[in-house]
Amino acid sequence: ETGVTQTPRHLVMGMTNKKSLKCEQHLGHNAMYWYKQSAKKPLELMFVYSLEERVENNSVPSRFSPECPNSSHLFLHLHTLQPEDSALYLCASSQEPTGGRADTQYFGPGTRLTVL
Amino acid sequence: GQNIDQPTEMTATEGAIVQINCTYQTSGFNGLFWYQQHAGEAPTFLSYNVLDGLEEKGRFSSFLSRSKGYSYLLLKELQMKDSASYLCAVRDSNYQLIWGAGTKLIIKP
Repeated sequence: ETGVTQTPRHLVMGMTNKKSLKCEQHLGHNAMYWYKQSAKKPLELMFVYSLEERVENNSVPSRFSPECPNSSHLFLHLHTLQPEDSALYLCASSQEPTGGRADTQYFGPGTRLTVL
Repeated sequence: GQNIDQPTEMTATEGAIVQINCTYQTSGFNGLFWYQQHAGEAPTFLSYNVLDGLEEKGRFSSFLSRSKGYSYLLLKELQMKDSASYLCAVRDSNYQLIWGAGTKLIIKP
């Protein structure tokens, strides 16, 4: 496989469930990102990892918990979510977390999450 | 605060030309990106501008004026497959990407 992959593509969960989203990048990049995309709103950056260390956490509620075991894999663990958390969750990777054209982010297809 | 403005929706005709504008107010500037996103799919990288002027790539061109805080994406010879959302994003002084809400482009035959 090439590029950035995400599983599952669709997820429906209740507010008391625990689930995890998975992202894998096959580009040899050093940085990985989680974004939330809601209808007609800008992409919201949630977390950034550079060389497996978290470098950004934009005031995301603790019910979202990221994990980056190595530079190719990124997880987002979900627990006790709220209906307003329903959105498209996108993973992205880039060669470096800062700097010029080399920091172009490449996205996975996303996980469409619905919280009932 | 930081802000990216782009039109919510635009309509154009197959074979025509369309210009999608993006204006920004950010704390610093370290480059501007355009992405295309088809419904239900990943955003895909289209162009990157860091210096003033026009960057051309096939049917797509992107223009930047840093003094005006302004960019546009120009799509020529429109095809039905160009129906998508187009996202503008600016990298600020902290190297964080600030995103616009996207412009939904509808192409009619």
